[in-house]
Amino acid sequence: QVQLQESGPGLVKPSQTLSLTCTVSGVSISSGGYYWSWIRQHPGKGLEWIGYIYYSERTHYNPSLQSRLSISVDTSKNQFSLKLSSVTAADTAVYYCARDRGLLRDGYYYGMDVWGQGTTVTVSS
Amino acid sequence: EIVLTQSPGTLSLSPGERATLSCKTSQSVSSSSLVWYQQKPGQAPRLLIYGASIRATGIPDRFSGSGSGTDFTLTISRLEPEDFALYYCQHYANSPRTFGGGTKVEIK
Repeated sequence: QVQLQESGPGLVKPSQTLSLTCTVSGVSISSGGYYWSWIRQHPGKGLEWIGYIYYSERTHYNPSLQSRLSISVDTSKNQFSLKLSSVTAADTAVYYCARDRGLLRDGYYYGMDVWGQGTTVTVSS
Repeated sequence: EIVLTQSPGTLSLSPGERATLSCKTSQSVSSSSLVWYQQKPGQAPRLLIYGASIRATGIPDRFSGSGSGTDFTLTISRLEPEDFALYYCQHYANSPRTFGGGTKVEIK
């Protein structure tokens, strides 16, 4: 059974860097075939895709966050991480990690089929 | 960037009724690239439908998806108490992945 679990500080000061880690169990990130993703949800709002990383360390970021964002992977720990710099109150949200299956050879996008439970991050002094 | 517009924002229905949720894309997309999620309060989203009409593993057959081009629909044939939740459509794009704003299905 594949499981994802987010971890990291729940409170970050403005202008600092938000750092979160997603620990994956039940599947090896290095086996490939998936895009390990971050999504966030502002309080009472919809879902915003942040970006993803492939096991090969290829990344793709939301253009709206790209200048502040870094996603990395540690295959030895089966984890991937998010760093968002220069945060403001607008970055206060629930942050989810998820497994994205990408577009397969049959032409279908199979969606984000496994999600972590989410972690709440508040940006405040 | 493809924009997804979901309507209505809120749908007030009774258990046993039929729910019809709309997702319109700002430009024509392949139906194979459209997915639907369900989200309950305090929980992560759950994948319901991919390829616009294919139920994900374990999803009851009262959930069905349809559509093509710019117009897609999620239908819940007979609402069960556990179906009252938020629903999001999402389109595959290399970057960025985009979500609709969501439709809340609430108990009338």
